[in-house]
Amino acid sequence: DIVMTQSPDSLAASLGERATINCQSSQSVLYSSNNKNYLAWYQQKPGQPPKLLIYWASTRESGVPDRFSGSGSGTDFTLTISSLQAEDAAVYYCQQYYSTSLTFGGGTTVEIK
Amino acid sequence: QVQLRQWGAGLLKPSETLSLTCAVYGGSFSGYYWSWIRQPPGKELEWIGEINQSGVTNYRPSLKSRVTISVDTSKNQFSLRLSSVTAADTAVYYCTRGRPINYWGQGTLVTVSS
Repeated sequence: DIVMTQSPDSLAASLGERATINCQSSQSVLYSSNNKNYLAWYQQKPGQPPKLLIYWASTRESGVPDRFSGSGSGTDFTLTISSLQAEDAAVYYCQQYYSTSLTFGGGTTVEIK
Repeated sequence: QVQLRQWGAGLLKPSETLSLTCAVYGGSFSGYYWSWIRQPPGKELEWIGEINQSGVTNYRPSLKSRVTISVDTSKNQFSLRLSSVTAADTAVYYCTRGRPINYWGQGTLVTVSS
């Protein structure tokens, strides 16, 4: 299985500040034939299923605010929230869909100071 | 609008078989992989396995001996069976669509306890 490692485990930032979450895969999730990174980011709030934010490492899902952005390639990826809002308090997960077995990172809890 | 609605028993005894079904409303059933994912209380997400409309399955290697995912295309439904459950199988179970996953069921808390 491809192991997904997220950092930090949690972070606290003030409203309007930038938050950055990192995700590293144990092997590349870049498919050379189409030059796409098979990496997604999800947001999960308490009592709810996760919500897809970003796919192909940097493509925002329809309806996701543009303060959310994804970057990276190969094995190292980043989710950035450019200006934290109260509603962004949640747990964020990265996921690879490159291999047959889907795997998720351990999650990063974002709190608002 | 695509909706996934799931149901099944929420309380099991050790050694019993977990059984959940997910119905898909709206959108096409074809052309997607339909997965089951679980989340133990307070823990991370774990993919269990997937199936497509032709019945092709992929399973998490560590669960493969106990998992069966099946599909009923006439009803736009797919199902999960997990045999010989233990307390370690206690989790919220979600049915989902796609790679990446853009639709999720509401989740079912399955508790395994004697």
